[in-house]
Amino acid sequence: DTAVSQTPKYLVTQMGNDKSIKCEQNLGHDTMYWYKQDSKKFLKIMFSYNNKELIINETVPNRFSPKSPDKAHLNLHINSLELGDSAVYFCASSQGTYNTGELFFGEGSRLTVL
Amino acid sequence: AQSVSQHNHHVILSEAASLELGCNYSYGGTVNLFWYVQYPGQHLQLLLKYFSGDPLVKGIKGFEAEFIKSKFSFNLRKPSVQWSDTAEYFCAVLPLMRFGAGTRLTVKP
Repeated sequence: DTAVSQTPKYLVTQMGNDKSIKCEQNLGHDTMYWYKQDSKKFLKIMFSYNNKELIINETVPNRFSPKSPDKAHLNLHINSLELGDSAVYFCASSQGTYNTGELFFGEGSRLTVL
Repeated sequence: AQSVSQHNHHVILSEAASLELGCNYSYGGTVNLFWYVQYPGQHLQLLLKYFSGDPLVKGIKGFEAEFIKSKFSFNLRKPSVQWSDTAEYFCAVLPLMRFGAGTRLTVKP
């Protein structure tokens, strides 16, 4: 069983479209995250949720909206996609409160905006 | 400003060479430190972590790291690299929630 799973793994879309990436973890963790990895492999945190509550919201355009229906799921919706949104998006989870524990990563969702 | 720095962007070694990758951070409080590895086309996996206690921590695949508090450093080492160690290596510092920029390691067979 995959501990942190993301769908889709690949997403190719046109500028201006809206798309969603889903993430689920079966580890029983309390905290989930979205990270963006750009073409230079730089990893940047975007959001963190702890028990469905938004904890971290880094400087991210408001076209990006996370949604956590329950503590096992954290979805990422992106409106009006731009070329610069092309990246690999990683979901992660950790036990306990945010910012202290080991992160378990999903396999990533590669988004290509044309 | 709070930050995490990895000084080596790309390291190229021959098999059996020794490895040391640098990681420094700027933060005055208590930290939890991690090294993650990302093999080509894969997700990040934990190599090792430091929370407290012995500052020399051992991880998987023969990797180890040493936390030197006075230098705000957490360098990764391996005495003898293998071709299969070719990957991207990331240092992470909590509670900063920040990763270093990554170091690409290429091991030549």
